[in-house]
Amino acid sequence: GQQVMQIPQYQHVQEGEDFTTYCNSSTTLSNIQWYKQRPGGHPVFLIQLVKSGEVKKQKRLTFQFGEAKKNSSLHITATQTTDVGTYFCAGTGTTSGTYKYIFGTGTRLKVLA
Amino acid sequence: NAGVTQTPKFRVLKTGQSMTLLCAQDMNHEYMYWYRQDPGMGLRLIHYSVGEGTTAKGEVPDGYNVSRLKKQNFLLGLESAAPSQTSVYFCASKEYNQPQHFGDGTRLSIL
Repeated sequence: GQQVMQIPQYQHVQEGEDFTTYCNSSTTLSNIQWYKQRPGGHPVFLIQLVKSGEVKKQKRLTFQFGEAKKNSSLHITATQTTDVGTYFCAGTGTTSGTYKYIFGTGTRLKVLA
Repeated sequence: NAGVTQTPKFRVLKTGQSMTLLCAQDMNHEYMYWYRQDPGMGLRLIHYSVGEGTTAKGEVPDGYNVSRLKKQNFLLGLESAAPSQTSVYFCASKEYNQPQHFGDGTRLSIL
């Protein structure tokens, strides 16, 4: 079945440093979504990528969808303490319909002030 | 609007007991989902529904049953709880090609 892996599992950075998490799928994706979960909270939607090679920006966050639509990345420039949390990608396959999402294992980000 | 509401928020069960987790959404969404979240495992899809009266299996359906008798409600049942089902359970709902909206979660411990 479809698998979605994320690396790294954990990342500790000094405030002001950059951060990147990578998401890799075993199958081609129809689209991919990114979520952020604060400690003790629930996942909150950040963005959705649909097109091959798509790049989207939200302030200090840059999201990319690979040309083959099998990988994606989230890059945060100049991290802040408010960026702390776990970042998940969630992909839906081309054969499973756009309603069944498989989540990656997540990357837990800790920002040291 | 309340969004997605999960009840209960916490529960402790003994092995072999049964219980039902309730998820209610007030956004008239077609799709609803149950996930479990374990440390280091991310969110794993248990069951999902693409509309009232429909259910389908996700990645880890064994030991769970679901029902979607009303569009706004999605119930997750544990018939005979096992310690391996200790987890945080999240419900989510969405519309076609839209993001998922999550509830606050149910923390379930099985002794």
